[in-house]
Amino acid sequence: GNSVTQMEGPVTLSEEAFLTINCTYTATGYPSLFWYVQYPGEGLQLLLKATKADDKGSNKGFEATYRKETTSFHLEKGSVQVSDSAVYFCALSDPGNTGKLIFGQGTTLQVKP
Amino acid sequence: DAGVTQSPTHLIKTRGQQVTLRCSPKSGHDTVSWYQQALGQGPQFIFQYYEEEERQRGNFPDRFSGHQFPNYSSELNVNALWLGDSALYLCASSRLRGAKGLNTQYFGPGTRLTVL
Repeated sequence: GNSVTQMEGPVTLSEEAFLTINCTYTATGYPSLFWYVQYPGEGLQLLLKATKADDKGSNKGFEATYRKETTSFHLEKGSVQVSDSAVYFCALSDPGNTGKLIFGQGTTLQVKP
Repeated sequence: DAGVTQSPTHLIKTRGQQVTLRCSPKSGHDTVSWYQQALGQGPQFIFQYYEEEERQRGNFPDRFSGHQFPNYSSELNVNALWLGDSALYLCASSRLRGAKGLNTQYFGPGTRLTVL
């Protein structure tokens, strides 16, 4: 079945460091891919998305490229801030585009000043 | 433009009780999905409602049921609660009718259910 695997956390970085959070997926067909962010005590916010191979999603300095050949959608940011501390979820929507999302287990990011 | 809203924010129940959670979708959205997020885990899909009918369902028992109203708002009902139902319940809305392309979901803040 369809699934998403994320790198385990927590990831601890100093402010202004480079961030990579790995995400790989297994899916039949061509799913859309997402990154959601969850701040403490809150729901999920859509961070970025990509709908087809080689698409690059970007928002607030974060980027991720849909790599079909490696079935990956790694999240990157060139310079993290303390305010980026949160849990990040990689997700895919089923290729039938019904809207159902399948999530990874989440990666906690802690940024220290 | 109000986003997705959920009520209540927190809820405490005892084993065997029943609970009803509520969700109002984002303006212009007609589809509501419910997810269960256990502590330290990613959200798990429960079911999705569109045009007042359950459109698809995840791997959850019949104790979990729902409803969608003509104004597109939705309820999630859980019967015979047990300790393992303690979780954050998230509602997400999207627009299906007339949508072209990606059916992106937007999430509410969630309801934290604790079963004692």
